[in-house]
Amino acid sequence: AQSVTQPDIHITVSEGASLELRCNYSYGATPYLFWYVQSPGQGLQLLLKYFSGDTLVQGIKGFEAEFKRSQSSFNLRKPSVHWSDAAEYFCASEDSSYKLIFGSGTRLLVRP
Amino acid sequence: DAGITQSPRYKITETGRQVTLMCHQTWSHSYMFWYRQDLGHGLRLIYYSAAADITDKGEVPDGYVVSRSKTENFPLTLESATRSQTSVYFCASSVGLAGNNEQFFGPGTRLTVL
Repeated sequence: AQSVTQPDIHITVSEGASLELRCNYSYGATPYLFWYVQSPGQGLQLLLKYFSGDTLVQGIKGFEAEFKRSQSSFNLRKPSVHWSDAAEYFCASEDSSYKLIFGSGTRLLVRP
Repeated sequence: DAGITQSPRYKITETGRQVTLMCHQTWSHSYMFWYRQDLGHGLRLIYYSAAADITDKGEVPDGYVVSRSKTENFPLTLESATRSQTSVYFCASSVGLAGNNEQFFGPGTRLTVL
């Protein structure tokens, strides 16, 4: 069965530091991949998505993600984290029936 | 207001009671989805609907019933609530199913079953 793995449950970074959140997927073909952010008490908001083409994808709020087929990864990055980035981040892929499969999420804490 | 709304936002109920969670979207999106969010599991799909009167099971449908008589509404019913159904429930909608169509999420309903 297809799956999405986010190995880090929590990550803490200092404000202004760089950030990388890890995501691994299991799917034979090139998957559709997504990153969503969930702020406290809110629904999910799409940060970025990858379908094909350029493996470095730019998203909203200064986030980017890189698709690496050889590593089955789609890691999310941001060069300088702001306190407002504290939230839960979900990686997702599209399964063979075009529905989303979500990872278990990574909670980002930002130290002032 | 435009967008996707859920009601109630918080609900406490007792085991065995029937509970209905409401979802309403104003975009006339064809597809609507119900997910549950549990610690360590991320979001899991309960049911989805491709259009009015068309619904299908997701990954975890047991214990839930859905209907879609109107395009804009997609209620989720727990016919006899159990403690294992304590969760945060998210509704979402999209134009289509394929990955090129973004899913838009509601703010969630936090349900506690005592």
